[in-house]
Amino acid sequence: EAGVTQSPTHLIKTRGQQATLRCSPISGHTSVYWYQQALGLGLQFLLWYDEGEERNRGNFPPRFSGRQFPNYSSELNVNALELEDSALYLCASRLTGGSSYEQYFGPGTRLTVT
Amino acid sequence: ILNVEQSPQSLHVQEGDSTNFTCSFPSSNFYALHWYRWETAKSPEALFVMTLNGDEKKKGRISATLNTKEGYSYLYIKGSQPEDSATYLCASNSNSGYALNFGKGTSLLVTP
Repeated sequence: EAGVTQSPTHLIKTRGQQATLRCSPISGHTSVYWYQQALGLGLQFLLWYDEGEERNRGNFPPRFSGRQFPNYSSELNVNALELEDSALYLCASRLTGGSSYEQYFGPGTRLTVT
Repeated sequence: ILNVEQSPQSLHVQEGDSTNFTCSFPSSNFYALHWYRWETAKSPEALFVMTLNGDEKKKGRISATLNTKEGYSYLYIKGSQPEDSATYLCASNSNSGYALNFGKGTSLLVTP
């Protein structure tokens, strides 16, 4: 069974540009979560999508947005990039319903803003 | 406790040593406590999910305990091996669907 995949592995952008990060969940998982790990910080929750809808978002500005497609894959968009957006962005998927607690993570996208 | 806190921040042990880490989490509205193992350049790997007070889980040489009343969990590694070197993350959530609230992790280095 394929795990969570993310693309690209690395992304270099200039301040003010937009970045798009992609995530494909494990087959059958309908929930996708996005997390950010900035330098020196722990993983911070960004966004949660389930069944195509945004269910919850963390304490991040509206520049951070995304969507979930009918096949449950997801995009994270970061507009008007700032230097402090440089971080590792992790995506996780979860099988919704029942007693499914576990989130399964992808390897991440390293975003560098210059 | 409002946030998830982990200690120590880093740990360096010799091969064969046993070690343990601590995770403190908010005990109010608790739903589940997660432990992950994260090697550099790889995906965080789920080790344990625990929900009930007094839960104990074991996977090989690694085990974990949970105290939901006082809001802490311990992760134990018996007879550490160099391949155990990784960052160990603890996270809690207050609802089955809600996002995970992570600690900053404990970085473990095991030298031969």
